[in-house]
Amino acid sequence: DTGVSQDPRHKITKRGQNVTFRCDPISEHNRLYWYRQTLGQGPEFLTYFQNEAQLEKSRLLSDRFSAERPKGSFSTLEIQRTEQGDSAMYLCASSRTRGENEKLFFGSGTQLSVL
Amino acid sequence: GIQVEQSPPDLILQEGANSTLRCNFSDSVNNLQWFHQNPWGQLINLFYIPSGTKQNGRLSATTVATERYSLLYISSSQTTDSGVYFCAVHEAQGGSEKLVFGKGTKLTVNP
Repeated sequence: DTGVSQDPRHKITKRGQNVTFRCDPISEHNRLYWYRQTLGQGPEFLTYFQNEAQLEKSRLLSDRFSAERPKGSFSTLEIQRTEQGDSAMYLCASSRTRGENEKLFFGSGTQLSVL
Repeated sequence: GIQVEQSPPDLILQEGANSTLRCNFSDSVNNLQWFHQNPWGQLINLFYIPSGTKQNGRLSATTVATERYSLLYISSSQTTDSGVYFCAVHEAQGGSEKLVFGKGTKLTVNP
């Protein structure tokens, strides 16, 4: 396994700008998750894909957030009209399905700072 | 939704000491995982343990699903064990595929 890759590692943007993050999961994993983590808290679920289908979205995910996973491989998370409250670490994770294969593997995250 | 509580919130040890971290959850689960987040922020999966006991080197974990708790044991702690330990669960009846994380236990191991 080459691991889950996320790009960029850090992003600083001005309020109101749009940002896009990329995640490349472990190649044989069909499940892909996006989580958000703020200081002192555990990761919070945002959305989940099985292959290319987005099957679940958190109520935390406002209409300014959109995620895609074309062809069931890499995924992008876009935040439009960023707000200071969007500042957080955005984590991507992937897994297989079924039993022990459901172990979740995380990328290093994208740290977003909205000024 | 399911609630996950971890204790203690903070733990300070001397190198070589043993420790037990606890995770309580409010409803039936069919998936429970333990993670270590190192000081650089990387989350490492330690165990997939919806029930029973597993061991991996100096770490072991036990989940008693019927009593809704899991324990993570760290023996002969090392400074590299420092970081935050998270428990995450998947609710059995919730109809959701998400893992819900606790707030974590922050472990500091001093030399």
